[in-house]
Amino acid sequence: QKEVEQNSGPLSVPEGAIASLNCTYSDRGSQSFFWYRQYSGKSPELIMFIYSNGDKEDGRFTAQLNKASQYVSLLIRDSQPSDSATYLCAVIPSSASKIIFGSGTRLSIRP
Amino acid sequence: DADVTQTPRNRITKTGKRIMLECSQTKGHDRMYWYRQDPGLGLRLIYYSFDVKDINKGEISDGYSVSRQAQAKFSLSLESAIPNQTALYFCATSDPENTEAFFGQGTRLTVV
Repeated sequence: QKEVEQNSGPLSVPEGAIASLNCTYSDRGSQSFFWYRQYSGKSPELIMFIYSNGDKEDGRFTAQLNKASQYVSLLIRDSQPSDSATYLCAVIPSSASKIIFGSGTRLSIRP
Repeated sequence: DADVTQTPRNRITKTGKRIMLECSQTKGHDRMYWYRQDPGLGLRLIYYSFDVKDINKGEISDGYSVSRQAQAKFSLSLESAIPNQTALYFCATSDPENTEAFFGQGTRLTVV
């Protein structure tokens, strides 16, 4: 079982709609969770960091963490073409402070 | 100037050659990482270091070695490059509270 799992996509969403990205993790004791956005050929850039159960909102982005079910999700409201990218979920497991990434979900916003 | 700088940005090398990828950071953080990215596989951890005396293997360390020359410098070496090491390599550093990882621009390595 992979430590961090994401659907590879592509996920296609119409402009202006809500995009929903999901991630599950295997280590129940994981402490910190991240969502990164990566444009093709570029470095990942941090979108959201969350460590408590519940929702965390930042502009059009909302991260949702459910430790009991071991999943973290990212909602993007009012999706824009510039949101088209690969979204990487990352987790710090309880065993060490290394950062483990999922394989990423490719998101495409269609006009 | 970038917080995390990787050199070279692009490199083509031949099978069997030794190659070193260099990374330096100005964030002042102790934690540094080397990741490899292949299409559809996300970022896979090669090695990570929590300080100059603490180096740890990641999930795909075979065929790679690292050197932490100073707090700010963390180099990745391929002792004898092979074609399946062709990939995009990222160096990163993170703050002590692990609230964010800062990435370099990446090194695109091609082994022919």
